[in-house]
Amino acid sequence: GQNIDQPTEMTATEGAIVQINCTYQTSGFNGLFWYQQHAGEAPTFLSYNVLDGLEEKGRFSSFLSRSKGYSYLLLKELQMKDSASYLCAVRDRYGGATNKLIFGTGTLLAVQP
Amino acid sequence: NAGVMQNPRHLVRRRGQEARLRCSPMKGHSHVYWYRQLPEEGLKFMVYLQKENIIDESGMPKERFSAEFPKEGPSILRIQQVVRGDSAAYFCASSPLLSTSGTAEQYFGPGTRLTVT
Repeated sequence: GQNIDQPTEMTATEGAIVQINCTYQTSGFNGLFWYQQHAGEAPTFLSYNVLDGLEEKGRFSSFLSRSKGYSYLLLKELQMKDSASYLCAVRDRYGGATNKLIFGTGTLLAVQP
Repeated sequence: NAGVMQNPRHLVRRRGQEARLRCSPMKGHSHVYWYRQLPEEGLKFMVYLQKENIIDESGMPKERFSAEFPKEGPSILRIQQVVRGDSAAYFCASSPLLSTSGTAEQYFGPGTRLTVT
């Protein structure tokens, strides 16, 4: 089956660091994505991991361990505008086309002053 | 360079009516994906299309739902005889031609919020 787990909600303080975890069990794997989604808006791409290790992009970093089926998104120097849902998604395989995304339910992050 | 466009942004239908949701992919993109987001739930894959072809419809309900991506014009997600449970946000994403590994980035549109009364 296909299963992606992430915490439902998290709270953090402005200026701090927060780590959002994601575990997955999927029949196929061809990369893991993190998206940010503000209420009522489209998901926007944050990061992509296909090999094990850490990818850093400004204040955002994402880590992947394929053997453990585990990823995390690290947000540094939190700002109020970072309050949003963070979606973990695994790219599945379907025949010869490997582009279907399977999403977790998202983690709602609230940044407090 | 315009992004993925969806219209309408909000759609209200009575039970039993038809809903038509449109998606225009980013310029140069030939692949379209439809996802549904129910309240308090994650995005669920529905269907993956290329021009004039349905590649993967494993997430589409068996009845009342259909999708197309014609040679000319936008992709259409059609829901016949809508019921209250169809109320959700429907997001479209597009991507360019797949790479040799069969992958490509997906860019999301702003979504259509369907309300069935």
